[in-house]
Amino acid sequence: DAKTTQPPSMDCAEGRAANLPCNHSTISGNEYVYWYRQIHSQGPQYIIHGLKNNETNEMASLIITEDRKSSTLILPHATLRDTAVYYCIVRGGVNTGFQKLVFGTGTRLLVSP
Amino acid sequence: DVKVTQSSRYLVKRTGEKVFLECVQDMDHENMFWYRQDPGLGLRLIYFSYDVKMKEKGDIPEGYSVSREKKERFSLILESASTNQTSMYLCASSLKGWQETQYFGPGTRLLVL
Repeated sequence: DAKTTQPPSMDCAEGRAANLPCNHSTISGNEYVYWYRQIHSQGPQYIIHGLKNNETNEMASLIITEDRKSSTLILPHATLRDTAVYYCIVRGGVNTGFQKLVFGTGTRLLVSP
Repeated sequence: DVKVTQSSRYLVKRTGEKVFLECVQDMDHENMFWYRQDPGLGLRLIYFSYDVKMKEKGDIPEGYSVSREKKERFSLILESASTNQTSMYLCASSLKGWQETQYFGPGTRLLVL
């Protein structure tokens, strides 16, 4: 898997947008960007993934730059329950064989009142 | 919603005991995975299964075995628990196809004394 770089920690005020950046400068053309989060002592939770286009679901939006070397996960209205470690992962797409998940150190997001 | 459940959230066992961790998914997923997560070491794949009765070793299979007798159920067995197997154990499942999104259970925190 391509390496990703994330800031170790970020703070966000409750109700504001949380923008979590991720660099993946060595990403290949068929590799997807995935985001998971892990709340303390719980299993990782899938958030969103994308290849080239921006994606949105009920949890978040994913903005991928045109050169695909970086992306941003946006939580539009952060709540206290969004406090977690957020992992950005790059993994291969169709026909790239088995892809185990490799979590880096992630970004610890703290949402405060 | 994908639902992956694990038999216990917390477990305390003695060295030498045989330990069974069970995982059940309700989404008819073909692939199932067992990981362990340790501070500073991230997520490590123990075993995975792509079909009933099929299993493949991951990166750290030593000291573990698995069983998949039914599609929805994937068991991890510690034949003789040791203190270095104290960890958070995470089960995940995905649709057929190695690029498919993996969904995790809540995790089992195992303490071996």
